Amino acid sequence: ELKVEQNPLFLSMQEGKNYTIYCNYSTTSDRLYWYRQDPGKSLESLFVLLSNGAVKQEGRLMASLDTKARLSTLHITAAVHDLSATYFCATRHSYNTDKLIFGTGTRLQVFP
Amino acid sequence: EPEVTQTPSHQVTQMGQEVILRCVPISNHLYFYWYRQILGQKVEFLVSFYNNEISEKSEIFDDQFSVERPDGSNFTLKIRSTKLEDSAMYFCASSIQRRTGELFFGEGSRLTVL
Repeated sequence: ELKVEQNPLFLSMQEGKNYTIYCNYSTTSDRLYWYRQDPGKSLESLFVLLSNGAVKQEGRLMASLDTKARLSTLHITAAVHDLSATYFCATRHSYNTDKLIFGTGTRLQVFP
Repeated sequence: EPEVTQTPSHQVTQMGQEVILRCVPISNHLYFYWYRQILGQKVEFLVSFYNNEISEKSEIFDDQFSVERPDGSNFTLKIRSTKLEDSAMYFCASSIQRRTGELFFGEGSRLTVL
């Protein structure tokens, strides 16, 4: 059964600092999604990573995928308060399923 | 920008009552999904739907749950007899492609069962 683990679960960081959120998954997968969720709100799609070595960047966020290591990272550069949210990664265990398995989420809090 | 819309945003119901949650997916999308998130927990897949039938469902999606697309725009989730443990945020999502497409989520419907 596919398991998706994120760490850390909670991250408190100062504005201007860099940090990385890790997403490990237990079986092979063909894609990896990153979502952002503000409290009480929906899931906003950030990145879809489709192949080994894929790297995507949007503003202060950069996501990468290593399918051999079954690892994706979400790197935050020079954090700002607006990035405070919960970040989820999600993947699925085979091509023949609709079911996305979500990670536990990483709650990011950026303070001045 | 096109978006997935859901109603109601919050519903409070008594245990045992029927609830219908409504979703309007993005208009040119063909694949529809329901996920749920119990407070403070992971997002969990419930069901996927295409061409007026269920494509896939999880073990959570038992006989108490049903989905339908009663007209060309709405996609509904019905819970026949709610239980306390059904209290959660229910998210509808849609995609233009099935297994390769990006999912677009609605704002969610919070269900509270008393």
